[in-house]
Amino acid sequence: GAGVSQSPSNKVTEKGKDVELRCDPISGHTALYWYRQSLGQGLEFLIYFQGNSAPDKSGLPSDRFSAERTGGSVSTLTIQRTQQEDSAVYLCASSTGQGDLAFFGQGTRLTVV
Amino acid sequence: AQSVTQPDIHITVSEGASLELRCNYSYGATPYLFWYVQSPGQGLQLLLKYFSGDTLVQGIKGFEAEFKRSQSSFNLRKPSVHWSDAAEYFCAVGAVYGGSQGNLIFGKGTKLSVKP
Repeated sequence: GAGVSQSPSNKVTEKGKDVELRCDPISGHTALYWYRQSLGQGLEFLIYFQGNSAPDKSGLPSDRFSAERTGGSVSTLTIQRTQQEDSAVYLCASSTGQGDLAFFGQGTRLTVV
Repeated sequence: AQSVTQPDIHITVSEGASLELRCNYSYGATPYLFWYVQSPGQGLQLLLKYFSGDTLVQGIKGFEAEFKRSQSSFNLRKPSVHWSDAAEYFCAVGAVYGGSQGNLIFGKGTKLSVKP
């Protein structure tokens, strides 16, 4: 597609439920990132995929968070047993991975009630 | 520790006035430096980047930034602000891994308001 696409754009879930957030990167981009943007916390790095290399998971806040990238394209971020502090905008970005620009999606606004 | 500091949380300038948004970083490796803008309800848009070479970089929408290694700074400037520039601005730093871009560390952002 023309840009990074994320779905859903908004998600309201009950505390304790699992959620899946999807990211479709720009075609041909080998690098994919997930970030979280919370009020007062700025943008936090979560996870980074680069080609077939093992992902950099150093930013995942707990073992309730996981992400996968199938076929080097679409990525899914899964949050299990959601908590209210998980409420945030989850941003996905992709790039060519060659020191090129990172293009961000519009984000998924997650609200845990 | 790696970090990015944007000292100003909120700045208000008059339309037509000049603008400078400050960014200081702490980074052990050779940094890539970025400025992004986020308008209300919108995603992040890249304004400009610095990888190497000329320390004064030009970006979109009339913005420029200057990398000063001795001061660990990468301040964003615009000579004449337009009302449409009202948004939140984020400075970010990333690593150079053989040309590949690793994860970015973002500052907490500076919110820009523009007075008519």
